[in-house]
Amino acid sequence: GAGVSQSPSNKVTEKGKDVELRCDPISGHTALYWYRQRLGQGLEFLIYFQGNSAPDKSGLPSDRFSAERTGESVSTLTIQRTQQEDSAVYLCASSSQPLDEQYFGPGTRLTVT
Amino acid sequence: AQSVTQLGSHVSVSEGALVLLRCNYSSSVPPYLFWYVQYPNQGLQLLLKYTTGATLVKGINGFEAEFKKSETSFHLTKPSAHMSDAAEYFCAVRPFPLQGAQKLVFGQGTRLTINP
Repeated sequence: GAGVSQSPSNKVTEKGKDVELRCDPISGHTALYWYRQRLGQGLEFLIYFQGNSAPDKSGLPSDRFSAERTGESVSTLTIQRTQQEDSAVYLCASSSQPLDEQYFGPGTRLTVT
Repeated sequence: AQSVTQLGSHVSVSEGALVLLRCNYSSSVPPYLFWYVQYPNQGLQLLLKYTTGATLVKGINGFEAEFKKSETSFHLTKPSAHMSDAAEYFCAVRPFPLQGAQKLVFGQGTRLTINP
């Protein structure tokens, strides 16, 4: 079946602009995660959705970052007033249950100029 | 807070040689441990994981890892490197207690290069 997909694959934006990144999880997966991967670093957890429960936002670096998920489907990560330090690869993952294996998408490479 | 350290951001081995990628974690309670591989322009793929039981874990593509509690390590090995093994490898932990610990904590990654 289809894996996790993300769009766009690449995004170049000017400092101060807002961007929206999209994640389509594997169908039927109740858990969805966003991570950020800065150049030369490991992945940093951003936010976690599980069904209709309140999301775990503990990894969001500032109030410029927000994310939404409609039911158990698509999620969007929004970064407002982008800064150069926001440049990174943003990875989405989903799992069938919270503690099950996480399946990752290919990521969105965001470059803020 | 949990942390994961991967020794060596770049490792280079010859084709057919042993691959050893090092991972150490900081935790007083053994967490769940994972190794992921990331090929260029692709998402992360699970290589293997340790939860409980046998400390030597076998994964895909001939890789294996051994959990050593006394050393807080989970090093990844493969007896004979293949050109197709060239990729970035990430060690990750799922901290205890598991309740509410859905997120993974990742190491910085190790880029593996295979020389012909």
